[in-house]
Amino acid sequence: EPEVTQTPSHQVTQMGQEVILRCVPISNHLYFYWYRQILGQKVEFLVSFYNNEISEKSEIFDDQFSVERPDGSNFTLKIRSTKLEDSAMYFCASEDRHSYEQYFGPGTRLTVT
Amino acid sequence: AQSVAQPEDQVNVAEGNPLTVKCTYSVSGNPYLFWYVQYPNRGLQFLLKYITGDNLVKGSYGFEAEFNKSQTSFHLKKPSALVSDSALYFCAVRDILYSGGGADGLTFGKGTHLIIQP
Repeated sequence: EPEVTQTPSHQVTQMGQEVILRCVPISNHLYFYWYRQILGQKVEFLVSFYNNEISEKSEIFDDQFSVERPDGSNFTLKIRSTKLEDSAMYFCASEDRHSYEQYFGPGTRLTVT
Repeated sequence: AQSVAQPEDQVNVAEGNPLTVKCTYSVSGNPYLFWYVQYPNRGLQFLLKYITGDNLVKGSYGFEAEFNKSQTSFHLKKPSALVSDSALYFCAVRDILYSGGGADGLTFGKGTHLIIQP
């Protein structure tokens, strides 16, 4: 069964550094998402992406964040200058619009020290 | 703005008994409703959805949920709980009033820990 994959599974970085989280969505899906889950809290929507542009973004997704689909298969989330409060589990999801079901990857745990 | 409430942090059920995990929602338009399950150190797994049609929807692993528009609820149920059902359950909503054909983010509840006791 096709699945969403994410790399790395765990990323440790120092405050102020740039990080890139990578996702490979399910191949025939056209809608892509990033969510985050701070430890012990609920899953929060960050951004959605369709037709090579941002479709919707939350107030969390400020100028420090960017997304890209560089090569038609990968979908990346970049945090330009990480802060301590960016420490969270980041989930990528992709969707087949016919079903409205979003399929989530296993997540990348980002630890900012 | 849309929101989801899961009023119980934890639900404890004996194995073999029926279980209910509660969810209420608030949207401006009509809702698309979803349940996801999260096992420790894993991503979210899709369980079931309500888009339109029958108010009772059936999903994976014997779970079902009932959409109640008047009570704005979408409670998750299972007739007979298994120990392996123990996990964190999230209810989520998408407000189709604002769905313009683009990609719409889900709004999640805070999650309910379901603990099935042998």
